[in-house]
Amino acid sequence: DAGVIQSPRHEVTEMGQEVTLRCKPISGHDYLFWYRQTMMRGLELLIYFNNNVPIDDSGMPEDRFSAKMPNASFSTLKIQPSEPRDSAVYFCASRPSGRSRAGELFFGEGSRLTVL
Amino acid sequence: RKEVEQDPGPFNVPEGATVAFNCTYSNSASQSFFWYRQDCRKEPKLLMSVYSSGNEDGRFTAQLNRASQYISLLIRDSKLSDSATYLCVVRLNDYKLSFGAGTTVTVRA
Repeated sequence: DAGVIQSPRHEVTEMGQEVTLRCKPISGHDYLFWYRQTMMRGLELLIYFNNNVPIDDSGMPEDRFSAKMPNASFSTLKIQPSEPRDSAVYFCASRPSGRSRAGELFFGEGSRLTVL
Repeated sequence: RKEVEQDPGPFNVPEGATVAFNCTYSNSASQSFFWYRQDCRKEPKLLMSVYSSGNEDGRFTAQLNRASQYISLLIRDSKLSDSATYLCVVRLNDYKLSFGAGTTVTVRA
């Protein structure tokens, strides 16, 4: 079975440029999460969706960040304009519905972003 | 105060040794607990859930102490392939997981 698929795997861009990260969750999973991981701050939840609806975006650092989930099989995380401090690995994760599986996240391989 | 705190390590152990480490959590209302494993430059993967009575999965034993708000992971008969960062994870509500920064374990031949 295909896991969570993220693209691009690596992105190097210059400050001020727009960055779009993409995610395809596992088919049938109702929840989708965007995390950011840095050495300093570890894994931070940015936003999550349930049935394509954003539920909690309190982790989104500022207005430069936005996320969408137009359908059950696709989500984007956009940074505009990007800044060097946005450099991190961005993970997308999905999980099936059901409280009993609330801890069982399936992560994509991540998008490693470097903003120069 | 961080929601989940872990000793970053590294714990350097020889093959075959036993290694154990803890994490503490701050929210007494936390609902459930997990250990994830993350290999270098890879994504986190669920290792095991942590049950109130403690549980084993092969060479791995997880325990929970709600009174003291800590979780432990013990690895017996360490293998080279156990080298990784182990993330302590706490479920705060139906949707939100809080991840610790991780404990790095290096098993040497």
